[in-house]
Amino acid sequence: NAGVTQTPKFRVLKTGQSMTLLCAQDMNHEYMYWYRQDPGMGLRLIHYSVGEGTTAKGEVPDGYNVSRLKKQNFLLGLESAAPSQTSVYFCASTGQGATDTQYFGPGTRLTVL
Amino acid sequence: KQEVTQIPAALSVPEGENLVLNCSFTDSAIYNLQWFRQDPGKGLTSLLLIQSSQREQTSGRLNASLDKSSGRSTLYIAASQPGDSATYLCAVKDHAGNNRKLIWGLGTSLAVNP
Repeated sequence: NAGVTQTPKFRVLKTGQSMTLLCAQDMNHEYMYWYRQDPGMGLRLIHYSVGEGTTAKGEVPDGYNVSRLKKQNFLLGLESAAPSQTSVYFCASTGQGATDTQYFGPGTRLTVL
Repeated sequence: KQEVTQIPAALSVPEGENLVLNCSFTDSAIYNLQWFRQDPGKGLTSLLLIQSSQREQTSGRLNASLDKSSGRSTLYIAASQPGDSATYLCAVKDHAGNNRKLIWGLGTSLAVNP
């Protein structure tokens, strides 16, 4: 049981390049989330999904797109990276139970030059 | 709009000390409150979850309390150890919606010195 995994762990992009971050969970969770974490700003929700085939915007969705084609996977895309997107990105998932907590992946450290 | 505040932002204590981390929230109509731990360069790990109907939860040397009426929660760590050094984050889940979103504090960075 690997829990929540994220690939890649590190990435350096040039401004304008695109990339996709992959999140996978093996806990059969319905809900999945993408956060970014920046010093002094805390965790901010980018997009989330309440089930396969559904996505919704969080607090800071601009410049990002997501897809949830399979229940176990949640992809975060940057179409044209900007230096302001330099951050640590975390994926999380949770089940449908009201007392279920969120399980986090190890994070992806992205630098945009 | 719900806001979560954690005080202090950083704390340094000698090993063996008992300590309290504070979390406050502006809207008392919460569904539950959760405490997480984050080690440097790592993801977050859930420590304790307190339902709105509960007053406290305990796990080992950790005890979390909840006072909805005053909008406060505390995380008590007994007999602190260097391995407790980490950032501790508090998050609340509002009643509104069915999307399981959490509202996060900025965290308290704890250093326990040998």
